[in-house]
Amino acid sequence: EVRLVESGGVVVQPGGSLRLSCAASGYIFGDYAMHWVRQAPGKGLEWVSMITREGGSTYYADSVKGRFTISRDNSRNSLYLQMNSLRTEDTALYYCARDRGGSSYDFWGQGTLVTVS
Amino acid sequence: EIVMTQSPAILSVSPGERATLSCRASHNINNNLAWYQRKPGQAPRLLIFGASTRATGIPARFSGGGSGTEFTLTISSLQSEDLAVYYCQQYNLWPPVTFGGGTKVEIK
Repeated sequence: EVRLVESGGVVVQPGGSLRLSCAASGYIFGDYAMHWVRQAPGKGLEWVSMITREGGSTYYADSVKGRFTISRDNSRNSLYLQMNSLRTEDTALYYCARDRGGSSYDFWGQGTLVTVS
Repeated sequence: EIVMTQSPAILSVSPGERATLSCRASHNINNNLAWYQRKPGQAPRLLIFGASTRATGIPARFSGGGSGTEFTLTISSLQSEDLAVYYCQQYNLWPPVTFGGGTKVEIK
């Protein structure tokens, strides 16, 4: 069974930093690109970042470019999101999601809540 | 950036009736469209990809259609467990992938 479990969400002050993690199980982690997607309170889904299977290429939404860094450790079946210079508008539930190919997502985690206040 | 617009924002349907949700793209996205279902307190679930292909384990009452800029998700006979918010997503031109604002399906 494919499982994605996010962790690391907490309350942090504006300007602070945070690192989110996503632990994957039930499949060969290195065979799939991975994404972070977020949902702010009362808002829709917003794509945040993507990393290719081997980690050689990364992509970011303009809203987080230069502040967030996505990475992965295929030996640990883990995905990460380093979040720096946090703003109140970064407050959201952050999901990791598996790319089924072409950037649609066949599995999602339950999400981890980041509150910047 | 491609803007995705969903309508209606809220759809109220009686059990057993048909529900039709719409999604419009600001530019041609061919058939690179996915639909997701998000139930309260749960992670989003992939329903449809490629505009019309059901994901593994998705009941046949869910069907997707359209291409180019106009798309639909149809629930042929609404069940009580279909109460959820439904999102469309384009992945034709990225980054960024973009999502619609969602349609909340209520049981009448």
